[in-house]
Amino acid sequence: GAGVSQSPRYKVAKRGQDVALRCDPISGHVSLFWYQQALGQGPEFLTYFQNEAQLDKSGLPSDRFFAERPEGSVSTLKIQRTQQEDSAVYLCASSSRTSGATRAQYFGPGTRLLVL
Amino acid sequence: SQKIEQNSEALNIQEGKTATLTCNYTNYSPAYLQWYRQDPGRGPVFLLLIRENEKEKRKERLKVTFDTTLKQSLFHITASQPADSATYLCALLKAAGNKLTFGGGTRVLVKP
Repeated sequence: GAGVSQSPRYKVAKRGQDVALRCDPISGHVSLFWYQQALGQGPEFLTYFQNEAQLDKSGLPSDRFFAERPEGSVSTLKIQRTQQEDSAVYLCASSSRTSGATRAQYFGPGTRLLVL
Repeated sequence: SQKIEQNSEALNIQEGKTATLTCNYTNYSPAYLQWYRQDPGRGPVFLLLIRENEKEKRKERLKVTFDTTLKQSLFHITASQPADSATYLCALLKAAGNKLTFGGGTRVLVKP
């Protein structure tokens, strides 16, 4: 694809509801990242996949957060029993081995989650 | 704990002038430092990478310096244009790592 796409772009959830956020990385990109960005802050790392393997999930804030990438392409970030503090923009990024010289990550537009 | 600081106050600058942004870090030994641009409602866009053994890197009107002794990077936009108005984020990366650690970003507003 032309770039990283994410859906939905906006999600309003009632507290306690489960949500699923989808990321379509750039075709062929091996690495996929999820970040959380609070208003006025920089993105914070959540988790990292290399192909289908989740190699780092140290940034997931609680066991309510779960991410998967079963076939090594599309990824889903799931948040169970959402809380108001989960309100943020969730960014997905991908990178390839050929971007190794710059280590550039290519970001999607994000999903803005609002928990009421 | 690791800390990356960018000036949280917006930088207002006149068109044509040079904008200079700072990124300071503590308790971190990055192998790489990147700068990203972020526009409202969009994801960050990669601009430049500088390695720990490099002092300076240039790309068009952008210049980045990296001082591992001071634990600081400076990001310069020369001959600034209104289209340069955005938030600029610095991000640190370890040699064997993949995850980026971002600063809070500095908003730049270039006035015509």
